Amino acid sequence: EIVLTQSPGTLSLSPGERATLSCRASQSVGENYLAWYQQKPGQAPRLLIDDASRRATGVPDRFSGSGSGTDFTLTISRLEPEDFAVYYCHQCATSPLTFGGGTKVEVK
Amino acid sequence: EVQLVESGGGVVQPGGSLRLSCAASGFTFGDYAMHWVRQAPGKGLEWVSLIAGDGSNTFYAESVEGRFTISRDNSKNSLYLQMNSLRTEDTALYFCTKASGWTSDYWGPGTLVTVSS
Repeated sequence: EIVLTQSPGTLSLSPGERATLSCRASQSVGENYLAWYQQKPGQAPRLLIDDASRRATGVPDRFSGSGSGTDFTLTISRLEPEDFAVYYCHQCATSPLTFGGGTKVEVK
Repeated sequence: EVQLVESGGGVVQPGGSLRLSCAASGFTFGDYAMHWVRQAPGKGLEWVSLIAGDGSNTFYAESVEGRFTISRDNSKNSLYLQMNSLRTEDTALYFCTKASGWTSDYWGPGTLVTVSS
């Protein structure tokens, strides 16, 4: 099983600041089958990024994904008030599919 | 517009069974794999199971292997999860998701399963 470790667990930032979230895999996720999701309280997760760096439809360009192999990053260039949420990385390279434990981006 | 609506959740005693359903619309259902993903109260996301578009292949998390069965009826645009031998640790909000490749690109609102005596 591929274990995904997200860091930090919590990120305290102010609107307008840059957020950098990390996701490290215990083994390579192959051809970058790595996705990022945003989840707000009481809502289902929303796909932000797939294939490590491709923004999903309708996702603002302040969100970007990078990385390959075992190290991946989600960057939010300038935090908007609606961006404060929990973010999960997810590997869909091999079964069992797995999620990281999440990073909470909170208002400082 | 893609829509996924789960149903069938509820309260069940340990050892009991429950069958979840997911009604899909807005896309050609049989062309896409589908997943079940769950989230225990206050916890993170856990992938549960995947079924190919034609139902020919299925995959399970180790935690549910042998107890849960995923299936689909493409004539009814519906996905199912039969859950047997339920345990308290199966308590969670269960999401149905549409796959693009294997990535979950659309999610339903979820249905809550509570396993408690």
